[in-house]
Amino acid sequence: SQQGEEDPQALSIQEGENATMNCSYKTSINNLQWYRQNSGRGLVHLILIRSNEREKHSGRLRVTLDTSKKSSSLLITASRAADTASYFCATYNSGTYKYIFGTGTRLKVLA
Amino acid sequence: EAQVTQNPRYLITVTGKKLTVTCSQNMNHEYMSWYRQDPGLGLRQIYYSMNVEVTDKGDVPEGYKVSRKEKRNFPLILESPSPNQTSLYFCASSYGVGYEQYFGPGTRLTVT
Repeated sequence: SQQGEEDPQALSIQEGENATMNCSYKTSINNLQWYRQNSGRGLVHLILIRSNEREKHSGRLRVTLDTSKKSSSLLITASRAADTASYFCATYNSGTYKYIFGTGTRLKVLA
Repeated sequence: EAQVTQNPRYLITVTGKKLTVTCSQNMNHEYMSWYRQDPGLGLRQIYYSMNVEVTDKGDVPEGYKVSRKEKRNFPLILESPSPNQTSLYFCASSYGVGYEQYFGPGTRLTVT
């Protein structure tokens, strides 16, 4: 069964605005990763946050992790049209050796 | 160039005709995995491999087989494809289990 649930399912914003998407999961994790997918193409890794970290930054990306609430958020600041894509969270649990992906958020950035 | 390659990229086949989708990576990665992506369901893991000759089931292994005879290759085999296996398939690899994954370009399979 799918563990990760992204929220919202779809998001449309103007260029320059910030985009926030959320991910909830059900079981304990070792790390949580965010990926981007451009229309049916292969996923590209964006950022990884470990279970003992609360916040991580990479360029215009900011990820937070709250293990007590089993949730994470991805913030993209100053969005660009090129950020239009689907974004997925994926959790990793060392007890199962598996990655579990969420259902994704479709982001559309309007120029 | 570091990459994961998959072949074929597109495949239309008929029910019951065995097929193999190849996956190869040139990064000397230990961990490899197959996923299927369906609308509204995200990516679901089919099989994974921790290393050569070590494979295990993911969340949706029914109807699929894999093998890992060499470190770089991880083919996905559909012995008797059915229409419910129509999907977009991705191969991925990572340095080790739990690390960031590198994805192939995908194989769009249609089973009629």
